[in-house]
Amino acid sequence: AQSVTQLGSHVSVSEGALVLLRCNYSSSVPPYLFWYVQYPNQGLQLLLKYTSAATLVKGINGFEAEFKKSETSFHLTKPSAHMSDAAEYFCAVSDGGSEKLVFGKGTKLTVNP
Amino acid sequence: GAVVSQHPSWVICKSGTSVKIECRSLDFQATTMFWYRQFPKQSLMLMATSNEGSKATYEQGVEKDKFLINHASLTLSTLTVTSAHPEDSSFYICSAIFNKETQYFGPGTRLLVL
Repeated sequence: AQSVTQLGSHVSVSEGALVLLRCNYSSSVPPYLFWYVQYPNQGLQLLLKYTSAATLVKGINGFEAEFKKSETSFHLTKPSAHMSDAAEYFCAVSDGGSEKLVFGKGTKLTVNP
Repeated sequence: GAVVSQHPSWVICKSGTSVKIECRSLDFQATTMFWYRQFPKQSLMLMATSNEGSKATYEQGVEKDKFLINHASLTLSTLTVTSAHPEDSSFYICSAIFNKETQYFGPGTRLLVL
C-alpha cells in the first residue's frame, strides 16, 4: 500500500529564507509524486509533479522538488520565501496519473516578516 | 491549466435533508473524477472514484447509500449527501483527471448541517 509521510506539521521561516518541506513516500511501484498547495477555504492547486522523467522538477511560484529513489523522498524547496507562500502544503503519491491520490497529513508553512 | 469548478461553494442545511454538490471540468473532458472530504486541520480523505457512465467506486468505510455519486457526462459529477446529519459537516472537494496524468481540484464546498 502507498503512503506519504510529511515531516513537520508546521514550518516557520522568515521572509527571504529557504523553504524546505519534507516528504517521504512508500510505494510498491514506480510512483507518481505531487505537491499541492491549499490556501484557507480553497481547493488544492498543483505546484509540481514527478512522473518518472527528470528527477529535479520545477513548479510554479519558484518551487522545485527532487525525487530521490534511494531515500524515497520528494522534498519541496524554494530558495527565498515570500509572504504569499504562507499556506498548507500537501505531498501526494499515486500509482499513475489517472489513479487515486494518497495524501500526506500536510505541512502548514508560516512566513514571518 | 485545467479548471474544475464546484457548486455551491457554501451550503447550510437542516438535519435530515439532502444536499447535492456539483463538480464540473470546465475546459476538458474527464472520464474520472474523485470526491474527497477534509475535516478541519486534517488531510484529504478519498471518498469515492466517479467514472463516467458507470457506478462509482467507494472507499472502505464510506456509505454508498448516503453519499450518492452520479457521473452522467464527461464534464459533470454530482455528490448527493442524503439525510444529512451534523457529523456530515465537512469540506468536500472534487478533482478531475486531465490528460490521463494529473488531478486538478475544484475550490471545494463547505457543508454545514444544523
